[in-house]
Order: sequence, then structure tokens, then C-alpha cells
Amino acid sequence: AQSVTQPDIHITVSEGASLELRCNYSYGATPYLFWYVQSPGQGLQLLLKYFSGDTLVQGIKGFEAEFKRSQSSFNLRKPSVHWSDAAEYFCAVKVTGGGNKLTFGTGTQLKVEL
Amino acid sequence: DGGITQSPKYLFRKEGQNVTLSCEQNLNHDAMYWYRQDPGQGLRLIYYSQIVNDFQKGDIAEGYSVSREKKESFPLTVTSAQKNPTAFYLCASSPRDYNQPQHFGDGTRLSIL
Repeated sequence: AQSVTQPDIHITVSEGASLELRCNYSYGATPYLFWYVQSPGQGLQLLLKYFSGDTLVQGIKGFEAEFKRSQSSFNLRKPSVHWSDAAEYFCAVKVTGGGNKLTFGTGTQLKVEL
Repeated sequence: DGGITQSPKYLFRKEGQNVTLSCEQNLNHDAMYWYRQDPGQGLRLIYYSQIVNDFQKGDIAEGYSVSREKKESFPLTVTSAQKNPTAFYLCASSPRDYNQPQHFGDGTRLSIL
């Protein structure tokens, strides 16, 4: 079965600094990959997705992610973090033949220092 | 605007009581899902439905039940058999195509009295 690992439970960055959130997946073929963001007490909002093609994908709110097949990774990046980016971030994968289900990582809580 | 509506936002359950969480979508999506979220554990799939009148168990279905009588509705019942029901519950929907993401509601927080 596929799995997703987000190795950083908490990350703190200063406003204006760059950000990289790590995501590694375990699956034999290329999965469909997603990043979601969740504010406290709210649902999840899709930031970006990767299915095929260009390995660098652009999302909303200035986020981007790069798919690296050799490293089984799909790390999320932002060049300059804003205080409003403080939230929890989830990486998720979907595999063909898996009933259209998502498997989520355990999330990374981002704190932004002013 | 299309979206997913979960109600109520907060719900309290007494011991031995069944409670039902509502999820309605007007996105015309075929598939719907229920997740449970606990701190530090991410989201875990409870049940999902790809089409009306059909649903499958997810990873943690014990103590829960669902129905899918209408395309737009996918209610979740937390039964008294679920011994640790305190959690944040999220409903999602998506088209059946694999290359389409899931869209989420704003969740229901269930607590035990």
C-alpha cells in the first residue's frame, strides 16, 4: 500500500524567509500528488497538484512544488513567507486502482515569526 | 457558489448515543468521502462512495455507518460502538476521474459529554 511521509511535524520561519516543506511517498509507479493547507478549525484547501508533465508545478498563494521521481519526493516551496501562511500543510497521494482514495501525510504545522 | 456543507459545526454526544453528521454537496460530484482527523495523525478515511447506493469501508470504518441515497448527500452516523469518537470530521467530494482533486467541507467537531 502507498504511504506518505512528512518528516517535519513543526516548522518555524521568519516572515519574508523562504520555505520548503518536505514530502516523500512510497509507491511503485508515479502517483497523483497533492498539497493541501488547513487553517485552524477549517477544512482543507487545495494548493496544487501534480499528475504528469512538467515536474515543477505552480499553485495558489505563490506556492510551488517539485516532483522528483528519483527521490520519491514532492516538496512544497515558497520564496517569501507571509504571516498569513501560518497553517497546517498536508501532502497527499492518489494511486490508480486505489478506488480514487487519497492517502495523507501526518501534516506539517507552520509557524511564522514576525 | 458550489461547495460542500457540513452540519453542525459542533456536536456533542452522550454515552451510548448515536449521532449523525450531515454532508451535502452541490458540485455534482459522483464520489464522496468521510475522514477523521486527530492531532498528529493526519486524515484517516472512514468510508467513501463512488456512486449513489454504493459505498466502501475505508481504513477505520468500525463504529461508523453511512448511506448514499442521493448524489448530493452522504451522512455519517457515529454509533455507540465507536469508543473514542472525539475528533474533527471532514467530508469531501470529487469527480470520479483520478486526475481530479477532492474538495473539502469545513468540518464537524464531535465531543463527548
